[in-house]
Amino acid sequence: DAGVTQSPTHLIKTRGQQVTLRCSPKSGHDTVSWYQQALGQGPQFIFQYYEEEERQRGNFPDRFSGHQFPNYSSELNVNALLLGDSALYLCASSSTYSDTQYFGPGTRLTVL
Amino acid sequence: GIQVEQSPPDLILQEGANSTLRCNFSDSVNNLQWFHQNPWGQLINLFYIPSGTKQNGRLSATTVATERYSLLYISSSQTTDSGVYFCAVETARDDKIIFGKGTRLHILP
Repeated sequence: DAGVTQSPTHLIKTRGQQVTLRCSPKSGHDTVSWYQQALGQGPQFIFQYYEEEERQRGNFPDRFSGHQFPNYSSELNVNALLLGDSALYLCASSSTYSDTQYFGPGTRLTVL
Repeated sequence: GIQVEQSPPDLILQEGANSTLRCNFSDSVNNLQWFHQNPWGQLINLFYIPSGTKQNGRLSATTVATERYSLLYISSSQTTDSGVYFCAVETARDDKIIFGKGTRLHILP
C-alpha cells in the first residue's frame, strides 16, 4: 500500500516563474491538504481539496491555486514566484472517515 | 485566531533519558495530532489524540481538551528520536489545521 507521494522532490525556479507540484494521496483517501514549511518553522496550511473542490483555505494569496482530479490526486500551482516562496511544500491526505493526516515526503522549492 | 504554543523550543538529552513535550492551545479544537519530522523533512504521524491517553511503545500522549493542552512523553530516548516534534490542531471554529512551531529534540549517544 503506497503512502502519499509527491513530485518532484526538488525544484529550482527564478522569480516571476510559475511552478506546479503534484501529490498522490494514500490509497483509500479522498481529501488532500497542502502546506508550506519555511526553514525552521512549522507547516502552514495553504488549502484543502475534497471532491475536486477547495474546501478550506489558509492565509495565502491568489497566486497559490490548486486542483484535485477525479482519482483524488492534486496539484498545487504557484504563479509569479517570489524569493519568499522558497520552502518545503508538503501534501497530506486523509479520509472523510478519519481525520488522521498522512504526509508525503515534500517538494523542496528554491526560488532564485 | 487560535494560538498553538509548544514547549520547550529545544531539548538536548542523553540517550536513555525521558522527556515530556507540551502543546498548549488557546481555543476549542476538534482534534489534535502529534508528528515527528525527521532530518530529511518527512512528517510521521505519531498520535491522533483529541482527548484522553494513548500509548505506542516508548511514546505516549495525553490530551486534556477542557484545559487546552496536550503532552507527549518519550521514554528511554534513542538517537533515532532526534528531530522536530510538532503538534497540530484542527480548530473547532473553522476546521483549519494549525501547527505549533515545534520542539527540536536532540538525543546524544
